[in-house]
Amino acid sequence: GEDVEQSLFLSVREGDSSVINCTYTDSSSTYLYWYKQEPGAGLQLLTYIFSNMDMKQDQRLTVLLNKKDKHLSLRIADTQTGDSAIYFCAEMTTGGFKTIFGAGTRLFVKA
Amino acid sequence: GAVVSQHPSRVICKSGTSVKIECRSLDFQATTMFWYRQFPKQSLMLMATSNEGSKATYEQGVEKDKFLINHASLTLSTLTVTSAHPEDSSFYICSAKEAGDNEQFFGPGTRLTVL
Repeated sequence: GEDVEQSLFLSVREGDSSVINCTYTDSSSTYLYWYKQEPGAGLQLLTYIFSNMDMKQDQRLTVLLNKKDKHLSLRIADTQTGDSAIYFCAEMTTGGFKTIFGAGTRLFVKA
Repeated sequence: GAVVSQHPSRVICKSGTSVKIECRSLDFQATTMFWYRQFPKQSLMLMATSNEGSKATYEQGVEKDKFLINHASLTLSTLTVTSAHPEDSSFYICSAKEAGDNEQFFGPGTRLTVL
């Protein structure tokens, strides 16, 4: 079945880059997403990448997709304390009927 | 961007009572709405998918008679937790998407506490 895995924690210093990694199993995924969740809040879509792309950049965010290895990463440049949150990787399954989420990576940013 | 609201944001109820949670798309027509459940420090677990005017499709292990979902209009879906028990305490999040769109828009979530 479909599965998405992420490391659970990442700690960085303010101003450094953060890289959050994710692996998925469904090779026919069409879209892959990164969501941000702040405490007690819903999910905010940060960025997404279509499966035929290998990179997407959006301001401080860079998404890299290695389709062969089914590996997705999110790089946040110049990480700020306001970036502290849980980041979820997600894949849309074939047909677009379901989105499968990873367990989330909790990012701690130290001042 | 598209906005999805949920009401209430927090609810505390006694064991055995029923609780209704509303999910509304404020500026678009949500042909499909999803209901998720999130336990502390865990990921979102999809409970059910509902298409406007149709019966909801429940994920394996989710009791449809306990978690009643109604999606009677293109802007409103409701989740009713019937005969709630303490183990139903959780964060419930809905999301909505328009037909042909690949993006889901998430509500802010409802924290349910069952005493």
